[in-house]
Amino acid sequence: GEDVEQSLFLSVREGDSSVINCTYTDSSSTYLYWYKQEPGAGLQLLTYIFSNMDMKQDQRLTVLLNKKDKHLSLRIADTQTGDSAIYFCADRGRTGGFKTIFGAGTRLFVKA
Amino acid sequence: SQTIHQWPATLVQPVGSPLSLECTVEGTSNPNLYWYRQAAGRGLQLLFYSVGIGQISSEVPQNLSASRPQDRQFILSSKKLLLSDSGFYLCAWRSRTGGDNSPLHFGNGTRLTVT
Repeated sequence: GEDVEQSLFLSVREGDSSVINCTYTDSSSTYLYWYKQEPGAGLQLLTYIFSNMDMKQDQRLTVLLNKKDKHLSLRIADTQTGDSAIYFCADRGRTGGFKTIFGAGTRLFVKA
Repeated sequence: SQTIHQWPATLVQPVGSPLSLECTVEGTSNPNLYWYRQAAGRGLQLLFYSVGIGQISSEVPQNLSASRPQDRQFILSSKKLLLSDSGFYLCAWRSRTGGDNSPLHFGNGTRLTVT
């Protein structure tokens, strides 16, 4: 089946930029999503990008998509301690039956 | 606006006992509904999804079942819990009218510990 992979941990200092990376296998992906999960809570949609876009910016968040390499990244500018959470990359595409496939999540630690 | 409610928030149950987790969605009609399980340190595993009342698709063979008795109600059940059923269970909904880019919207989850 289709797969989405992410590194498990990332540690940054407050005020620095964070870059969370993700790779996926579905060559027919239509939409790719980033979700945030705070401790003990459900997943909150942060942003998404359509597969025919290269970049999407939303305030401190920048999403970059390299469709050729099937690589997605989420950049958080001026990272704050409140950004500490698990970030999930997710992919929805035809090959996966239009089901949303999630990565294992990247735990972001922000040091004050 | 649409909201999703999931309960209970936490549950501790002995092995062999039954399970019923409930999820309801408000503010939308005829949503697609989903149950996911999140094991510690792992991603989300899709367990069941439903495109309508009484219509349930199972993604993985397991000890659990799901039902959709009403349009906006989704229930996850088990007759006899196993230790391996412990985890964080998330209910989600997706609009069927919002187009292909409709994302999943999640409830706050239920932490189930089977002892």
